[in-house]
Amino acid sequence: DAGVTQSPTHLIKTRGQQVTLRCSPKSGHDTVSWYQQALGQGPQFIFQYYEEEERQRGNFPDRFSGHQFPNYSSELNVNALLLGDSALYLCASSLVTGRYTFGSGTRLTVV
Amino acid sequence: SQQGEEDPQALSIQEGENATMNCSYKTSINNLQWYRQNSGRGLVHLILIRSNEREKHSGRLRVTLDTSKKSSSLLITASRAADTASYFCATEPNTGNQFYFGTGTSLTVIP
Repeated sequence: DAGVTQSPTHLIKTRGQQVTLRCSPKSGHDTVSWYQQALGQGPQFIFQYYEEEERQRGNFPDRFSGHQFPNYSSELNVNALLLGDSALYLCASSLVTGRYTFGSGTRLTVV
Repeated sequence: SQQGEEDPQALSIQEGENATMNCSYKTSINNLQWYRQNSGRGLVHLILIRSNEREKHSGRLRVTLDTSKKSSSLLITASRAADTASYFCATEPNTGNQFYFGTGTSLTVIP
């Protein structure tokens, strides 16, 4: 039973560029949530997708957008990257309610 | 902003000792969960306690919840060097399905 898979594991981008991160949820899970974790901080909620729609959103600018596909996988897109976007991006899957299963994350570095 | 805060921020103990970390949160919750994170990797779910529960055990873990004080504690008994990690509490407010993480406690268990 595969857990949550995130790709890529590491990424280096230049300020102003755009990036797409990918997440495949755990088998049987239908909800995907994305979190940003800056170094030394706790994860911050970005948004949650369910039934291919954004259901909840945290306090992040519109530069952060996402998508969920019919197979429940999800993408996180960040436009016009800033140095402050450097962080570990975590994807978590769950059923509509219930405990999260986290992926290992994508480490994004913006230079 | 983050929902919870852990205390202490860092804790260093000898192997075999007990480790206690605390979490305070701000709003009414459906449940509270504790997660563990090794070296900036993905988070691993440890234990979930519902708002109508006061104490829960899982192996060497003991979690308490005091909803009147909006606080929880995680006790790890007979600590091992392998317990060295960051520990986060996450709360699910009763107004939504997302989880909010605290700032984390960095635990170091010295062999």
